Amino acid sequence: NAGVTQTPKFRVLKTGQSMTLLCAQDMNHEYMYWYRQDPGMGLRLIHYSVGEGTTAKGEVPDGYNVSRLKKQNFLLGLESAAPSQTSVYFCASSPTGGLEKLFFGSGTQLSVL
Amino acid sequence: QKEVEQDPGPLSVPEGAIVSLNCTYSNSAFQYFMWYRQYSRKGPELLMYTYSSGNKEDGRFTAQVDKSSKYISLFIRDSQPSDSATYLCAMTRAGGTSYGKLTFGQGTILTVHP
Repeated sequence: NAGVTQTPKFRVLKTGQSMTLLCAQDMNHEYMYWYRQDPGMGLRLIHYSVGEGTTAKGEVPDGYNVSRLKKQNFLLGLESAAPSQTSVYFCASSPTGGLEKLFFGSGTQLSVL
Repeated sequence: QKEVEQDPGPLSVPEGAIVSLNCTYSNSAFQYFMWYRQYSRKGPELLMYTYSSGNKEDGRFTAQVDKSSKYISLFIRDSQPSDSATYLCAMTRAGGTSYGKLTFGQGTILTVHP
């Protein structure tokens, strides 16, 4: 079982460039989340989705957009990358958004120069 | 002030030691408390889950919640080198609008030496 798969694993961008991070899950989960992890800050929620076609803002949504066109995929976009967006990005999913555990991907390490 | 505070360490202990990891929080609405373990270059994995105040034991791991003090702990007995990882506390409030959104602590880096 693949679980939650994130692509790419590593990326280097120049300031102002755009890119899309892809998250795919094969567990038929309804809820999906994007977090960023920075030293000393823990994991912070960027955006989340409660089902296909829905998205909502989390704690730190500025500078990011998301889309959930298919249930199994959750895309995170950076329209104009900034050095402050250098981080490790994690995607997660859960069956119903209740109190089940979150299943995390292995992360994408993004550097913005 | 962060809603959840966790000492980032790093914490280094010899094999066999008892490890105590802690988090404090300020939001009294938090009802569900979790500990995630994260190995280097991997995503977090759920280790323990508790509801409200009390203790929960799972093998060498014990999770404690003291809501009156807004304080949670994770104890690891007979620590092993394979326990070396970052430990993240996480919590969420009850109710339908929580949508599974978790608030995480900063994480504590633990190294267990053979």
